[in-house]
Amino acid sequence: QLQVQESGPGLVKPWETLSLTCTVSGYTIRSGYYWGWIRQPPGKGLEWIGSASHIGTTDYSPSLNSRVTISLDTSKNQVSLKLTSVTAADTAVYFCARHVRDFVVNWFDPWGQGTLVTVSS
Amino acid sequence: SFELTQPPSVSVSPGQTATITCSGDKLGDKYASWYQQRPGQSPVLVISHDSQRPSGIPERFSGSNSGNTATLTISGTQAMDEADYYCQAWDSNSAVFGAGTTVTVL
Repeated sequence: QLQVQESGPGLVKPWETLSLTCTVSGYTIRSGYYWGWIRQPPGKGLEWIGSASHIGTTDYSPSLNSRVTISLDTSKNQVSLKLTSVTAADTAVYFCARHVRDFVVNWFDPWGQGTLVTVSS
Repeated sequence: SFELTQPPSVSVSPGQTATITCSGDKLGDKYASWYQQRPGQSPVLVISHDSQRPSGIPERFSGSNSGNTATLTISGTQAMDEADYYCQAWDSNSAVFGAGTTVTVL
């Protein structure tokens, strides 16, 4: 059964780089699919950050494109997220999810439990 | 940019039908998915591809999409269905989520 699990620092200082890792189990990520990151500020809705495929293609939210990098480490079966120059507005629960997509269909399943990242000095 | 609009809240009595709408420009030309998020939990996919129910999702959940509106229907709503529900679509190489609808079972 495919599962994803996020990990990383829970506290990041302003203007530093947020780095998170998503460990995938039950599936070899180099075999296929996209892998996405979605975040949820406290008490607010879901915001897609971006997705990366097993062949290296990436799509990023236009609002975050200049600050985000998503990459796959197939040797560790992990997906990483890097978000630079963070501010308090980046405080959120960050979710990793398998992103099932082709030319028409598009959904996220399953999701990890999420990890809260707080931006504060 | 493409936006999805959902009502902030929907109230329903136990056993009745809850209807949650999601509106976007020509949304019917795209595919909509729906997610359930119970308090303190991660989102769970309940409908994909407009109307497909993943394995393990109860039959009382159904979806449709036409024109500018996608709809999630919960028939015979149960107390355990009380949650936030988000619609999602893909437009111009971006995933877009609606702001979410809180379903309260009174």
